[in-house]
Amino acid sequence: KAGVTQTPRYLIKTRGQQVTLSCSPISGHRSVSWYQQTPGQGLQFLFEYFSETQRNKGNFPGRFSGRQFSNSRSEMNVSTLELGDSALYLCASSSGTGIHEQFFGPGTRLTVL
Amino acid sequence: SQQGEEDPQALSIQEGENATMNCSYKTSINNLQWYRQNSGRGLVHLILIRSNEREKHSGRLRVTLDTSKKSSSLLITASRAADTASYFCATPRTGDNNDMRFGAGTRLTVKP
Repeated sequence: KAGVTQTPRYLIKTRGQQVTLSCSPISGHRSVSWYQQTPGQGLQFLFEYFSETQRNKGNFPGRFSGRQFSNSRSEMNVSTLELGDSALYLCASSSGTGIHEQFFGPGTRLTVL
Repeated sequence: SQQGEEDPQALSIQEGENATMNCSYKTSINNLQWYRQNSGRGLVHLILIRSNEREKHSGRLRVTLDTSKKSSSLLITASRAADTASYFCATPRTGDNNDMRFGAGTRLTVKP
């Protein structure tokens, strides 16, 4: 089975721009979660989508949004980028809800200049 | 502060030695997971231990869970240079594992 894939792997943007990151979960997985990882704040949960619906949301501003398509692929969008948005963005997929193992992708490294 | 606080923050050992990392958490949980992350890469799932389990093994890894003390430990035996990585514990924020709270991690360096 192919693992979780994320595109692009690296991205450089300037302040004020917007960015869209993509995540393809493991085949058959219906849940996709997004996390932001920074040296200062560590790993923080952004949101989770399950069957095209947002189930959970972390404590991030509305500039961070996401969606999930019928094939379970997910995108997250960050509008009006700030320097502090520079981070490694990780997505994880799992087969369902409850106590399941999450499988992480390699991440997208976003740099905001 | 974050749920799932690991200690030590950094650990440096020689190949062949054992490495022990600890994690404490604040709220009741139904399970706890340990992950490994090589520098700047994605997380690799190591072990999931449920709240009704006290110990779990996987190869050279041994995880314990003490729900009365709200703590867990990860033991890596006979460490190898390839074990050099950051190790994180994670607990569910809202009840299921698709929404997790991570600690700051322990940076393990294994010297050959």
